[in-house]
Amino acid sequence: QSVLTQSPSASGTPGQRVTISCYGTSSNIGSNYVYWYQQLPGTAPKLLIYRNNQRPSGIPDRFSGSKSGTSASLAISGLRSEDETDYYCAAWDDSLRGYVFGTGTKVTVL
Amino acid sequence: EVQLVQSGAEVKKPGESLKISCKGSGYSFTSYWIGWVRQMPGKGLEWMGIIDPRDSDTIYSPSFQGQVTMSTDKSINTAYLHWSSLKASDTAMYYCARRWISDAFDIWGQGTVVTVS
Repeated sequence: QSVLTQSPSASGTPGQRVTISCYGTSSNIGSNYVYWYQQLPGTAPKLLIYRNNQRPSGIPDRFSGSKSGTSASLAISGLRSEDETDYYCAAWDDSLRGYVFGTGTKVTVL
Repeated sequence: EVQLVQSGAEVKKPGESLKISCKGSGYSFTSYWIGWVRQMPGKGLEWMGIIDPRDSDTIYSPSFQGQVTMSTDKSINTAYLHWSSLKASDTAMYYCARRWISDAFDIWGQGTVVTVS
């Protein structure tokens, strides 16, 4: 059902900057806000970014989001071992009249 | 503390019915829609739908329309997800989540594992 496409994996060494991309269409990312979630193993997802680039209270500024046209990105700067987990983008889709998640990206800290 | 607490793990047989719950506390339950998300074993997140606890208005994902029923009981700040006839393919973790600003889900339940076998 995923209509938002993410690369399956990304990696970096501690301290590096890693960028995860999310590709959609005009009916989702192109016309609506993008959200990013982090899911640690065995736990519920956690909201990292809302409205394209806003961080909820408590989310460190190492995490940043951006959007351009029908794609969006999540950047993690100053990569830490605890950042090694799965990340999902999401957006409302006007055509489907529903919320859609990305396929997910697993970040590995080398 | 704002939280959503879900009911415990379930093991059911194909064809059986099931209702799982999600109880909100620490905030005005009727002020925020509740969403449901499925995660099949080893797979990604799938949005199932959302429900407004004020009036039970619902929006279902086309993939789940007719397969499940969302409901709420605002007198006890609880949302429900119901299956009338389970299938083996319903085996998954199910999360409820609070819809906060726009379509951001900011508070999540701990998840309910449903096993159909």
